[in-house]
Formats: sequence, structure tokens, C-alpha cells
Amino acid sequence: SQTIHQWPATLVQPVGSPLSLECTVEGTSNPNLYWYRQAAGRGLQLLFYSVGIGQISSEVPQNLSASRPQDRQFILSSKKLLLSDSGFYLCAWSVRGSTDTQYFGPGTRLTVL
Amino acid sequence: GDSVTQMEGPVTLSEEAFLTINCTYTATGYPSLFWYVQYPGEGLQLLLKATKADDKGSNKGFEATYRKETTSFHLEKGSVQVSDSAVYFCALSESQGGSEKLVFGKGTKLTVNP
Repeated sequence: SQTIHQWPATLVQPVGSPLSLECTVEGTSNPNLYWYRQAAGRGLQLLFYSVGIGQISSEVPQNLSASRPQDRQFILSSKKLLLSDSGFYLCAWSVRGSTDTQYFGPGTRLTVL
Repeated sequence: GDSVTQMEGPVTLSEEAFLTINCTYTATGYPSLFWYVQYPGEGLQLLLKATKADDKGSNKGFEATYRKETTSFHLEKGSVQVSDSAVYFCALSESQGGSEKLVFGKGTKLTVNP
């Protein structure tokens, strides 16, 4: 069966520090991968999605970036965090081309102080 | 662009009450429609889906029918339980560039009291 992992589960970082969140998927090949952010009291915002290694589409211009160094690995990064980057970050995957259901990871709670 | 509007919460019910969470959508094509559920501190889980008009998705006692004429996908459950307390998101699929993107509503928080 397929599983999706995210780490860390929680993170507290000072303003201006770098960020690296990791997401990996097991049990499937060539998935579409997604990064979402859920800010307090707001819905889900799609940040990035990827249809293959090295292929990243950005939805919202901001100080975050994403990379996909391996087929089942998706990384969310920042060089300098802002207070507004606080939120719950969710990674998701879907089977490429055959279904439109997305499957979500457990999320990372990021607090920027 | 495509959009989803769902009723604002929070919604508070007593156990065994009837639940309806309204969801309407705007789309240029023929999207699939979804309900996701998020339990406290967790990621989202797919609750049910419908891929074409008049389809009914169902799971764990929840149901929703894809109504093209009213562009709606309302979530219902006949008798809620305390364990149903969660945030519920309505979503539609938007195909672009070979990747199915989901457009989410803002979520409705449900609290069920014993």
C-alpha cells in the first residue's frame, strides 16, 4: 500500500532562519506531488506541484521554493523565513494521469517567531 | 477560475442529529467533486467523491450527490457521532498541464456534543 511521510511534525523557527521540509512517498511510482499551506482560520492554499523530477510549478509567488530531487521526494525550502510563513504545511500525492484523488501526509506545523 | 464555496462554520450539533454542509462550485468544465475530512492535528483524508453529474458518493454514513443543475455537492449524514467532529472541506478537480489540481473551499468545522 502507498504511504506518505512528512517531517518534521512540528517546527519552531526564528524569523530570518532557513527552512527545509521533506515529504516522501512509498509504494507508488511517478506520482504527482503537491505542497499546500493551511494558515490559521483559512483554507488550503496550493503552493507548488510537480509532475516529475525537477519539474516544479509555483502557484503563489513568495519566499518559498520547492525541489524534487528524486521521483518520490518533495522538499519545501526557504532561505529566510517570515512571520507570515507560519502555518500547517501539507504534502500530497496523486497517481499521474489515472485519477484525480489526492492523498495527504500528516502535515508539519511551522511556527515562526 | 474555478472556485468552491462552502457554508461557514462552525457548526455545533448534538449526537444523532442530522448534518448538512452546503457546497456549491463554479467551473468551466466538468470537474470531479470531493469531500475531505481533517481530524484535529492531522492531514486531510478523502471522505467521498463523485466524478460525474448525478453520481452519489458515500462513505461512513456520509453522502453527497453531484448536482450539475444547481452546481452543488452538499454533504449529509443522518445521525452524527462525537467522532465525526472535524473540519470538512469541499473540493473540485481542475485539470491543468497534466496534473490534477484541487480547488478547496475554506472548510467547515463541525463539533458534535454527546
